[in-house]
Amino acid sequence: DAGITQSPRHKVTETGTPVTLRCHQTENHRYMYWYRQDPGHGLRLIHYSYGVKDTDKGEVSDGYSVSRSKTEDFLLTLESATSSQTSVYFCAIRGTSGSDEQFFGPGTRLTVL
Amino acid sequence: EDQVTQSPEALRLQEGESSSLNCSYTVSGLRGLFWYRQDPGKGPEFLFTLYSAGEEKEKERLKATLTKKESFLHITAPKPEDSATYLCAAYGGATNKLIFGTGTLLAVQP
Repeated sequence: DAGITQSPRHKVTETGTPVTLRCHQTENHRYMYWYRQDPGHGLRLIHYSYGVKDTDKGEVSDGYSVSRSKTEDFLLTLESATSSQTSVYFCAIRGTSGSDEQFFGPGTRLTVL
Repeated sequence: EDQVTQSPEALRLQEGESSSLNCSYTVSGLRGLFWYRQDPGKGPEFLFTLYSAGEEKEKERLKATLTKKESFLHITAPKPEDSATYLCAAYGGATNKLIFGTGTLLAVQP
């Protein structure tokens, strides 16, 4: 358990509505990541953060934005949800200084109707 | 293009029947090769990191090995509780990020 929580754990929404997913960590890790996981694809990086207010795009960033106003929280926002964004979303943190391992949260299952 | 491929996609074993899962990678400047276990409805759980060819790591019935082109996850005398999806990820490449394979779904029958 890397001290990561995600909320909500499940969400059903309609096309065109905004959605924000929250990742919270309790261990003061600098690096945080958002991934999505879909059948037939490996986990794919959406956005990541390397510090407060420091974020960058990943492989599949279109349609998503992120914010990190404090170390412990990393928010993922879908400005206008589409059915193609139906997925399971995982937050991850990078381990202790000098370590490359990433540790994952429990996930959020999002369904866009 | 940086890529990670896992095989087989699914594997069914009898309890006690040892086998291996394969992870082949084409990632320039590999900085690490990671194995994760994922149970249904949960996030991936970190198992191992391998950094250089020839390196091996063990944990209970699992042993991970690394060559310059692939990694193997050997499962010795598996038990039903080893049933899960096993994910492999390579760190490095053009983007210097984790690149995941699609996983191997392992089912161990009693």
